[in-house]
Amino acid sequence: GIQVEQSPPDLILQEGANSTLRCNFSDSVNNLQWFHQNPWGQLINLFYIPSGTKQNGRLSATTVATERYSLLYISSSQTTDSGVYFCAVMQAGTALIFGKGTTLSVSS
Amino acid sequence: ETGVTQSPTHLIKTRGQQVTLRCSSQSGHNTVSWYQQALGQGPQFIFQYYREEENGRGNFPPRFSGLQFPNYSSELNVNALELDDSALYLCASSVGAGNYGYTFGSGTRLTVV
Repeated sequence: GIQVEQSPPDLILQEGANSTLRCNFSDSVNNLQWFHQNPWGQLINLFYIPSGTKQNGRLSATTVATERYSLLYISSSQTTDSGVYFCAVMQAGTALIFGKGTTLSVSS
Repeated sequence: ETGVTQSPTHLIKTRGQQVTLRCSSQSGHNTVSWYQQALGQGPQFIFQYYREEENGRGNFPPRFSGLQFPNYSSELNVNALELDDSALYLCASSVGAGNYGYTFGSGTRLTVV
């Protein structure tokens, strides 16, 4: 089955810094999403981005489908950005395949 | 509109017992998917229910079973609990199978002792 790899596994930042999270996937996909898991365990959908670039406030994402990777950019990070960021892809139309996540810690 | 609600939030069971977890889908959503998230890992797909029928299943044994009700709420049942079943169980609802608009609940933390 399709493999999803995220890097780095852990990231520690000072408030105000910028960061880039990467997601590589092993096969073509028709659905790619980025999620943020908050400390209470809830997964919050950040972007649906099977290709192209999207921006939402301080967050933006780019997916280059032909090269099988996606990037999540966080600018001017805040302590509330802390948590685990997951990339998830879909092939067969029912199952999201998640990477292992990037754990982000932002300190003030 | 209400989001996805899961109950209970935490649960402790003994190995060999059976457990039922519940999920109420977001208003207007007709599809429910269940995921298991072990500590430090990404969620893994268990199965999906669409119009009260199983509509896809991940690599989980038959002792993991589910139901979807006419109001689109869902249950996840696990029989003969094993220690490795300890995990966060997440429910997600969406409109239609494969739709990108997934809304996740906060999960049920199951501990098997």
